[in-house]
Amino acid sequence: NAGVTQTPKFQVLKTGQSMTLQCAQDMNHNSMYWYRQDPGMGLRLIYYSASEGTTDKGEVPNGYNVSRLNKREFSLRLESAAPSQTSVYFCASLVDRGFTEAFFGQGTRLTVV
Amino acid sequence: EDKVVQSPLSLVVHEGDTVTLNCSYEVTNFRSLLWYKQEKKAPTFLFMLTSSGIEKKSGRLSSILDKKELFSILNITATQTGDSAIYLCAVEVLGGSQGNLIFGKGTKLSVKP
Repeated sequence: NAGVTQTPKFQVLKTGQSMTLQCAQDMNHNSMYWYRQDPGMGLRLIYYSASEGTTDKGEVPNGYNVSRLNKREFSLRLESAAPSQTSVYFCASLVDRGFTEAFFGQGTRLTVV
Repeated sequence: EDKVVQSPLSLVVHEGDTVTLNCSYEVTNFRSLLWYKQEKKAPTFLFMLTSSGIEKKSGRLSSILDKKELFSILNITATQTGDSAIYLCAVEVLGGSQGNLIFGKGTKLSVKP
C-alpha cells in the first residue's frame, strides 16, 4: 500500500527551465493538494483539486500550473522556474472521515539556481 | 481571511522538560483542528479536535481545544530528543476558498540531551 507517491525526491533546475512534479495516490481519494514549505512558513497551498476534473488556486499559485490527469494523479508544473520557487513541495491526498484527513507524500526538494 | 497562528515559532528545551505549543485561529465555518508532527520528511497526523474541553492523549503528548477563545494547545511532557520536530497546527474549514486545511507556520522544537 504505497499511499501517496511523489517524484522526483530531489531536483536542481536552472532559472527559466521547466519541470513537472508528479504525484499519485492509490487510496481512491477525491481531493488532492499541492503545498510548498519554506523555512518558518509552514505549508502554503499552491493548487488543489477537490475532485477529478476540477482544480482551484490556493494561496500561492503564481508561476505554477496543475493537471488532474485522473483520480489517481495530480501533477504540478513550473513553466519557467525562478529562484523564488526553491522550496520543498508536498503533495497530499485528502479524505473526509468526519474530519479531513490528509496523507502526505515524502516531498520534493527543488533548488532553482 | 482565515488564519492560523502558532507560537512560539521555535523553542529549545532540554530532555525531561515539559513544553506547551500554542495554536490560535480566526476562521469562518470551523470544522476541526488538527496537529501534525514533521520530522525529516512528510507531516504525520497526531490529533484531531472538534469539541472544547476534551483532552486527547497519546503517550506523553496531549492536546485540548477551546472553541470559545479560539485556540488549542499541544503539551509534551518529559521531552526526549526524538520529539525534536516541527509541529504543525491546521484548522479545517467548510467551504473555504483556500481549500479545506489552513496551516499555521509551525513550531520548531529542538530537544537537547
